[in-house]
Amino acid sequence: GQQLNQSPQSMFIQEGEDVSMNCTSSSIFNTWLWYKQDPGEGPVLLIALYKAGELTSNGRLTAQFGITRKDSFLNISASIPSDVGIYFCAGQGNTGNQFYFGTGTSLTVIP
Amino acid sequence: EPEVTQTPSHQVTQMGQEVILRCVPISNHLYFYWYRQILGQKVEFLVSFYNNEISEKSEIFDDQFSVERPDGSNFTLKIRSTKLEDSAMYFCASSFAGPPQPQHFGDGTRLSIL
Repeated sequence: GQQLNQSPQSMFIQEGEDVSMNCTSSSIFNTWLWYKQDPGEGPVLLIALYKAGELTSNGRLTAQFGITRKDSFLNISASIPSDVGIYFCAGQGNTGNQFYFGTGTSLTVIP
Repeated sequence: EPEVTQTPSHQVTQMGQEVILRCVPISNHLYFYWYRQILGQKVEFLVSFYNNEISEKSEIFDDQFSVERPDGSNFTLKIRSTKLEDSAMYFCASSFAGPPQPQHFGDGTRLSIL
């Protein structure tokens, strides 16, 4: 299957700091999704991106669809304790209809 | 807000036994999915289902797995003869339309094979 690599693998930040994480693929994708997963729960959709270069915000979250179509970025501004969790990217490309999930970025926010 | 519900939340089964995981997708959704997440790893696609048939499946979804929509609301995943390596979180998801429409996930069933 497709490999999506996320970096960093984990982050420890102070409350109030901004966060940046990214997701890269060796293949072109047509759609990028960002999900957040809390412990013991399912992934919750944060942002969906459908066009190269697209920049979309959801509150303090902003995500971008990279112009090469092989990457995507998620930024969180002014982090708060409830931002803690694992953030997954998911991409859908030209090989079938399934979404491929990234390896995840674990975020810890220190109050 | 409507949500995908899964039961049970935790299933413990002896190796070799059959197990059925149940899901109630969001009511007006037409596409249904099962994913697996081994502890500490990424979410992996198993199968997608539309119009009462499998539309796509991964190499993980071998002959031991089957899916069914037995009625208008439930969507099930059956593992015929469980193996130790089937231990994982199993997530059901649904969407109103097919990809690239985003999928909405349930909270998962933790399957533990002894």
